[in-house]
Amino acid sequence: GAVVSQHPSWVICKSGTSVKIECRSLDFQATTMFWYRQFPKQSLMLMATSNEGSKATYEQGVEKDKFLINHASLTLSTLTVTSAHPEDSSFYICSARDGVRPPQHFGDGTRLSIL
Amino acid sequence: AQSVTQPDIHITVSEGASLELRCNYSYGATPYLFWYVQSPGQGLQLLLKYFSGDTLVQGIKGFEAEFKRSQSSFNLRKPSVHWSDAAEYFCAVGDGTNAGKSTFGDGTTLTVKP
Repeated sequence: GAVVSQHPSWVICKSGTSVKIECRSLDFQATTMFWYRQFPKQSLMLMATSNEGSKATYEQGVEKDKFLINHASLTLSTLTVTSAHPEDSSFYICSARDGVRPPQHFGDGTRLSIL
Repeated sequence: AQSVTQPDIHITVSEGASLELRCNYSYGATPYLFWYVQSPGQGLQLLLKYFSGDTLVQGIKGFEAEFKRSQSSFNLRKPSVHWSDAAEYFCAVGDGTNAGKSTFGDGTTLTVKP
């Protein structure tokens, strides 16, 4: 149980384009999902907390206009990287919480490469 | 604010040897504690969790961890390591009273020698 699916797993695109990443909870309803960014050999950096039906809460230093988050249903949250540039290249991971308490269940991540 | 320290950046053990990965946390109340494992290019898989009760918790893949409040530690152990255990291990502390955010340590890379 508690499976989180993230799509796509890998995307390469040109600088200036926008990229959408989907995060789905397959067998549970997730009122809260989290988006992380991970640089090589580093830990996870929380970008934002996504709550179903309301605006996402962004961590300090994360541009909300750059990283658009939508959590329109209890099983789907999306992260859109707008006008992506090479410095946005990274590994993005989503997670979802089943219920009120932790733990979080993680997707397999999306490798984003901006040329 | 909650925080997690994993003192060992990289650990190498021989296959079949025992393993202990250290984790120290800082949190004002009783913490929710977790260990996750990450293989290259993959997401994180939950190994085990501690919420309350028995301080020795059993997880998947033969791992266990012990919560020691007096030492603010939650070390991960395995009696006999397999080559497939080579991966990155993250300790995390969860805030059960807020939005359920988790704070992760910087990770420990485990290398297994044949």
